[in-house]
Amino acid sequence: GQQVMQIPQYQHVQEGEDFTTYCNSSTTLSNIQWYKQRPGGHPVFLIQLVKSGEVKKQKRLTFQFGEAKKNSSLHITATQTTDVGTYFCAGNQAGTALIFGKGTTLSVSS
Amino acid sequence: NAGVTQTPKFQVLKTGQSMTLQCAQDMNHNSMYWYRQDPGMGLRLIYYSASEGTTDKGEVPNGYNVSRLNKREFSLRLESAAPSQTSVYFCASSQRGLSQPQHFGDGTRLSIL
Repeated sequence: GQQVMQIPQYQHVQEGEDFTTYCNSSTTLSNIQWYKQRPGGHPVFLIQLVKSGEVKKQKRLTFQFGEAKKNSSLHITATQTTDVGTYFCAGNQAGTALIFGKGTTLSVSS
Repeated sequence: NAGVTQTPKFQVLKTGQSMTLQCAQDMNHNSMYWYRQDPGMGLRLIYYSASEGTTDKGEVPNGYNVSRLNKREFSLRLESAAPSQTSVYFCASSQRGLSQPQHFGDGTRLSIL
């Protein structure tokens, strides 16, 4: 069945450093979504990518969808303590339910 | 402006007991979902309802049943709870179709002794 893999599982950075998490699918996806979950909270939708090669930015966050629509990345520039949490990617093929990756947990020290 | 509301927020059960987790959304969304979240396992889909009147199994449906009571409500039932079902359960909804962004409730933290 479809699998969505995320790396790394954990990442610790100093405040101000950059951070990247990667998402890879075993199958071609119709769309990929990214969510953030703060400690003790619930997942919150960040963005959706649907086009091959698409790049979207939200302030210090840059999201990319690969040309083959099988991989994606989230890059945070100059991390802040407010970026702490777990970042999940989730993807699906048309007509099927989203499959979530296991997430990357980011910790930031000041 | 509640979004997705889950009850209860916390629950402790004994092995073999039954219980129903409730979920309601006030966003007029068509699709609803139940996930469980365990450490290091991410979010795993238990059941989903693409639209009112339909339900389908997700990745980990064994030991659970669901009911889409109406467009707003989607409940998850554990008939005979087992310690392996200790987890945090999230309900989510999306506007229209399975590829739409999902809105999550605050979760139910369930412990089974």
